[in-house]
Amino acid sequence: GNSVTQMEGPVTLSEEAFLTINCTYTATGYPSLFWYVQYPGEGLQLLLKATKADDKGSNKGFEATYRKETTSFHLEKGSVQVSDSAVYFCALSRLNNDMRFGAGTRLTVKP
Amino acid sequence: SQTIHQWPATLVQPVGSPLSLECTVEGTSNPNLYWYRQAAGRGLQLLFYSVGIGQISSEVPQNLSASRPQDRQFILSSKKLLLSDSGFYLCAWSVVTVGSYGYTFGSGTRLTVV
Repeated sequence: GNSVTQMEGPVTLSEEAFLTINCTYTATGYPSLFWYVQYPGEGLQLLLKATKADDKGSNKGFEATYRKETTSFHLEKGSVQVSDSAVYFCALSRLNNDMRFGAGTRLTVKP
Repeated sequence: SQTIHQWPATLVQPVGSPLSLECTVEGTSNPNLYWYRQAAGRGLQLLFYSVGIGQISSEVPQNLSASRPQDRQFILSSKKLLLSDSGFYLCAWSVVTVGSYGYTFGSGTRLTVV
């Protein structure tokens, strides 16, 4: 079945460091891929998405590229801020009621 | 624009008491609706989803039930809460269309069973 595997956390970085959170997927067909962010005590927010191979999703300085050849959708940001501290979830969906989430990666950014 | 409301934000309930969490969506018709649970420090577990009024699919056997009495209302219930029901409950909706546009989540309910 469809599934997502993302790197285990927690991840702790200093402000202005480079961020990579790895995400790989297993799916039949051509899923859409997503990154969601959950700030403390809140629900999930859609951060970015990509719907086909080689698409790059971007938002708030975060980027992820849909790599079909490596079945990956790694999240990157060139310079993290303290306000980026949150839990990040990778997810995939082929239809629109079958979203599968990774386990989440907690990011802490220290000043 | 579409909005999703979920309440209450926090709830402390004794073991054996009933539960009712409500979720409503505005600005869209016939959405797909979902209930997720997030245990402390863990990922998301899909509990129920609904593609229409009165249509409920359960992903895992449990002490909870769900109902969709109106098109944009989704209710999570329990007759008798267990300690293991503690967690962060999230409601979400998505459009009904070919392809995937992502889910929109409510702000969540933190349930503590004591």
